[in-house]
Amino acid sequence: QVHLQESGPGLVKPSETLSLTCSVSGGSMINFYWTWIRQPPGKGLEWIGYIYYSGTTNYNPSLKSRVSISVDTSKNQFSLNLSSVTAADTAVYYCTRGSTFSQRWGQGTLVTVSS
Amino acid sequence: EIVMTQSPATLSVSPGEGATLSCRANQSVSINLAWYQQKPGQAPSLLIYGASIRATGIPARFSGSGSGTEFTLTISSLQSEDFAVYYCQQYNKWPQTFGQGTKVDIK
Repeated sequence: QVHLQESGPGLVKPSETLSLTCSVSGGSMINFYWTWIRQPPGKGLEWIGYIYYSGTTNYNPSLKSRVSISVDTSKNQFSLNLSSVTAADTAVYYCTRGSTFSQRWGQGTLVTVSS
Repeated sequence: EIVMTQSPATLSVSPGEGATLSCRANQSVSINLAWYQQKPGQAPSLLIYGASIRATGIPARFSGSGSGTEFTLTISSLQSEDFAVYYCQQYNKWPQTFGQGTKVDIK
């Protein structure tokens, strides 16, 4: 059964770039879409964007100017970069599988934006 | 973007009783609607997709219905492990959007 695990810094300074990686194990990345979703503390869920294993991406228009998602199938990983972060980007970031609904989720990683 | 509205915000239910959660879209999403359960400190987990199809391993006490703009998640007899927050999510139009959640707590 596929397992997803997020990794990256838990603290990022304002105006800097948030970078996270999702490692996929127990299954292939081929022929699947891979997604980032976030959840501010105590709040609801927001779809950030997704990437197909081949590299095609789609981003939430609300974040499109600041978001980049990449994939490295040789390492079974995909990554999120979110630039020019502010306190409003503080959230638990989840990586998931799927471009419509998400059947597999990582445990999530809390990223705090603070100086 | 499509706005999803869930009601009620909180639902207090006794174990063994049933619960009905509502989700409304501000435009039609056909049957492209999923439900998730989230327990404290955990990632959401998929319950229902296609408005009414249970995901793998989901007990039959969970059922989904609806189409267009009105959807319902019904839990027929709440077990202790069912007390959680439930989110609906539309995937008919990009970007996918979630409701704000319904918390089901113990009465």
